[in-house]
Amino acid sequence: DVKVTQSSRYLVKRTGEKVFLECVQDMDHENMFWYRQDPGLGLRLIYFSYDVKMKEKGDIPEGYSVSREKKERFSLILESASTNQTSMYLCASRTRDPYNSPLHFGNGTRLTVT
Amino acid sequence: AQSVTQPDIHITVSEGASLELRCNYSYGATPYLFWYVQSPGQGLQLLLKYFSGDTLVQGIKGFEAEFKRSQSSFNLRKPSVHWSDAAEYFCAVDSGGGADGLTFGKGTHLIIQP
Repeated sequence: DVKVTQSSRYLVKRTGEKVFLECVQDMDHENMFWYRQDPGLGLRLIYFSYDVKMKEKGDIPEGYSVSREKKERFSLILESASTNQTSMYLCASRTRDPYNSPLHFGNGTRLTVT
Repeated sequence: AQSVTQPDIHITVSEGASLELRCNYSYGATPYLFWYVQSPGQGLQLLLKYFSGDTLVQGIKGFEAEFKRSQSSFNLRKPSVHWSDAAEYFCAVDSGGGADGLTFGKGTHLIIQP
């Protein structure tokens, strides 16, 4: 079965810390995505990647960066965490063919920045 | 730019009653449309999708949705809801490029009354 794994379900970090959120997929998908989910705002795309070492900004990239050194792993990095980055973060992946491959999501990482 | 509107933030339905969740999209060409469900503490699961062809699509868990181009709508329906359907529901649109992810609505929170 398809699996997207986010390494942490809950994280608590302090303001100014560098934070890494890890995501691994076992489906050999080319495309990977990081979304942020906030009540009343739905899901907003932060960054996506369509190949190893490739990345593209989504709708809200400010304050974030990403890394994709291997096809199966896509990391979201908060260079200096701030309280307004407290949120639920969802990773997703799929192949390049939207007809045959919907987005598969991980269970999310709930990040609290104090 | 494409966008998705889910007019209802919360909906309360009695168990056994019928359900309709509304979704309107804004996109120039024929969009790829999706409905996802998110149970508490979980990631998103695909319910159904529309790409082309028959405008009434069937999904998992007894859900269906109808694409109406004239109304720019893609409403989700279920004839008889179960308590386990209580969840957050998201409508999403994809421009078809595949690489750049989906644009999501803000979600509708479904509450089931006994």
